[in-house]
Amino acid sequence: QITLKESGPTLVKPTQTLTLTCTFSGFSLSTSGVGVGWIRQPPGQALEWLALIYWDDDKRYSPSLKSGLTITKDTSRNQVVLTMTNMDPVDTATYYCARYTPQSSGTYYNSFDYWGQGTLVTVSS
Amino acid sequence: DIQMTQSPSSLSASVGDRVTITCRASQSISNYLNWYQQKPGKAPKLLIYAASGLQSGVPSRFSGSGSGTDFTLTISSLQPEDFATYYCQQSYGTPLIFGGGTKVEIK
Repeated sequence: QITLKESGPTLVKPTQTLTLTCTFSGFSLSTSGVGVGWIRQPPGQALEWLALIYWDDDKRYSPSLKSGLTITKDTSRNQVVLTMTNMDPVDTATYYCARYTPQSSGTYYNSFDYWGQGTLVTVSS
Repeated sequence: DIQMTQSPSSLSASVGDRVTITCRASQSISNYLNWYQQKPGKAPKLLIYAASGLQSGVPSRFSGSGSGTDFTLTISSLQPEDFATYYCQQSYGTPLIFGGGTKVEIK
């Protein structure tokens, strides 16, 4: 059974750094082709991809947020951590982590097939 | 960056209706296109991968088609549990972009 769960603060102040942890089970981030990504969703708005880390430590970031984002993995602990600096009220959102992997073996047709429940982060003084 | 445009942004339909949602990419993405369903307060759920691949466990009334820049998600006979918001997402390359969503409401 594959599960992912996000954890971290529910409230941060403007200019602070947000650190979110995705703890997963049922798969390994050392398996070729597997990645874990972070996606956020402001209240009532659409999904926005933030960052992705692959099994080989290849890291990708949203260009609009790249300067403030860092994604890392701890394969032994089955965790992926996202840090986001200089938080602003517009960053108030539900933050999801999700597994990113091919649905057909041997292909590059990746998709987010398992998601965490999400964690609402509010940025307010 | 590749932009993804969904239409319509919302629609009203009745149980049993055939529903079609479109997604257009700003450049060709071959068939690197996924569809997700999201219900209020819940995480998105993968429905379709690679434009037309039905994810395991997803009812066969859902289907996807298209290639290049134009894609379609079709629900052949809308069921009560299908009222939700649907998102497309391109997986051709990073940045990974989601469409703006289509909210399917009860008529």
